[in-house]
Amino acid sequence: DAGVTQSPTHLIKTRGQHVTLRCSPISGHKSVSWYQQVLGQGPQFIFQYYEKEERGRGNFPDRFSARQFPNYSSELNVNALLLGDSALYLCASSLTFRGNSPLHFGNGTRLTVT
Amino acid sequence: AQTVTQSQPEMSVQEAETVTLSCTYDTSESDYYLFWYKQPPSRQMILVIRQEAYKQQNATENRFSVNFQKAAKSFSLKISDSQLGDAAMYFCAYRSAGNSGGSNYKLTFGKGTLLTVNP
Repeated sequence: DAGVTQSPTHLIKTRGQHVTLRCSPISGHKSVSWYQQVLGQGPQFIFQYYEKEERGRGNFPDRFSARQFPNYSSELNVNALLLGDSALYLCASSLTFRGNSPLHFGNGTRLTVT
Repeated sequence: AQTVTQSQPEMSVQEAETVTLSCTYDTSESDYYLFWYKQPPSRQMILVIRQEAYKQQNATENRFSVNFQKAAKSFSLKISDSQLGDAAMYFCAYRSAGNSGGSNYKLTFGKGTLLTVNP
């Protein structure tokens, strides 16, 4: 079975632009989470979606938004990009939203903002 | 808010030797889950081992085992018979079970420990 897939792998954007990152969960998984990992740090939680509903949001500005589609894939959108948004963006899927449902991560999208 | 602390930014071990990575956490909850994830240069976060807080028995997965001390809020990872493929960044993570109002939808990660395995 395919794991969590993310696209694109790498992306370079200019300050002020908008970016959309995509994630396809493992087949059968209904929950998708997004994390931001700045170089040298652990991942920081951005969003969790379950059955197309937002279940949790981390401490990120409103420039960050996401949605989940009927096939459970997800998009993360970031508007008005800042240099500080440069990071590895990780998507993770799980069967449910519950704490005992392990997260399975993708390989991430490396975003560079210049 | 829960916090996770990994006090060792870098560790090294000789191949076939044993190494222990440290992790402490702060929480007021009694029901939660603790994880160790491995992140090699390929960037994918790989689950190494999981511990449920209500279980007294320490989790074990082949060469990987944990020492879970709930009262001390300590959760260390022991890697036995270290292999070159174990070289990676290791992250300790906390997740609430959500039973006492905590946010069970997110993992809280430490800053990581970079493990080098010397041949």
